[in-house]
Parts: sequence; structure tokens; C-alpha cells
Amino acid sequence: DGGITQSPKYLFRKEGQNVTLSCEQNLNHDAMYWYRQDPGQGLRLIYYSQIVNDFQKGDIAEGYSVSREKKESFPLTVTSAQKNPTAFYLCASSIGRTGGHEQFFGPGTRLTVL
Amino acid sequence: AQSVTQLDSQVPVFEEAPVELRCNYSSSVSVYLFWYVQYPNQGLQLLLKYLSGSTLVESINGFEAEFNKSQTSFHLRKPSVHISDTAEYFCAVSDWNQGGKLIFGQGTELSVKP
Repeated sequence: DGGITQSPKYLFRKEGQNVTLSCEQNLNHDAMYWYRQDPGQGLRLIYYSQIVNDFQKGDIAEGYSVSREKKESFPLTVTSAQKNPTAFYLCASSIGRTGGHEQFFGPGTRLTVL
Repeated sequence: AQSVTQLDSQVPVFEEAPVELRCNYSSSVSVYLFWYVQYPNQGLQLLLKYLSGSTLVESINGFEAEFNKSQTSFHLRKPSVHISDTAEYFCAVSDWNQGGKLIFGQGTELSVKP
């Protein structure tokens, strides 16, 4: 089955620790995206990548970092610089780099800072 | 910058009643419009999309949305809802030149009561 996987499903972090969220897709999609979801705020774009070895900041990139070394993988690191990291994180991919293409979403990772 | 407004944060409705979830977007030369559905603790699933052509688009489970360019709206409707339609619904827009990025509304929580 083709799709997007995210791991882990739940993640707990102590303050001051960096954590990395995994996102893998086997859809052969060029573009991948990371969103943060908070109650009542919809989805906000953190980073996106349209091609391997290239990525751009979204609207709320501060305190996050990404890499895109392989087409299939787009991991997100939440650093200690992110002041309020507790949220639901969603990864998505799409076939094209222009508008009009559907984004496919993974099941999400819920991060809680203890 | 493109923006999306979902006018209702919560919509309670009784089973078998009709429902309308409202979505307005800021004007642009050419936009593509999407409705996504999210069940608790899951990722987003595409419900329907408008790219071009007929302004009325339908989903396989009875939802429909109408693109209204003059009112910059893309409201979602269903003539008779089921308990299983209880979920959060997101309207999203992308421009043809925005690299495939989606701008999401804040979401509308649809609660169907027996």
C-alpha cells in the first residue's frame, strides 16, 4: 500500500531536549510538508521541500529544522529553541510543486513536553 | 498573502438534518480550493477539490461544495448528515504560483447528534 507513515505516534520530551519526528512516503512524490496543528488554529506550515536537498521555511520555522537527503524521507527536528512545542504534527506530500495538487497526509505525531 | 476564513468554529446539528460549513478566501487571480476532513487523532483526508470547470464539486459520501468567484466562497454542504460525519473540516486554498503550498482555515468542528 502506498502512503505516508509518521513515527512515533506519541512522543514525550523533557524541556531542553531536541527530538526528531520521522516522515516517510512511498508515493514517489516530489514535494513534502510539515504542519503544526493547535486547537482552533488550523494547520500552520513549518517547512516544505520541493526537491531532494532543498527546503524552504514556512510560516513558523523558528525552533525547527529539517533535512531532505532522500526523496522518501523528510524528518523534522524540534529543537530546544522552540518555546511551546506541545502540539500535533502532520507530515504531507504531493506529486507536484505547483498549485492544484492534492496533499496526502500522514497519521500525525502528538508531541508533549513534560 | 492568501488567507482562508471558516466562519463557524463549531456546528452542532441533528442527524438527517442538512448542514452548511462556510469558507471564504481572499481574492486571487487563480486559486485551487480543497476541503479536508479530520477524524480525532488522525491525519487529514481529502473530501473534495475545485481546480477548474464546473463550479459544483461532489464527494463520494454525499458532500458537495460550490465555487463562487464573485463572493470568494467555497461552502461545503450535505443535505442529510449521519453520526459518522462528526469530525473537523478544513477548507484550504493554493495559488498556481505558490509551490503547492496550502493555506488552511481554522477548521469547523461538525458535531452530529442523534
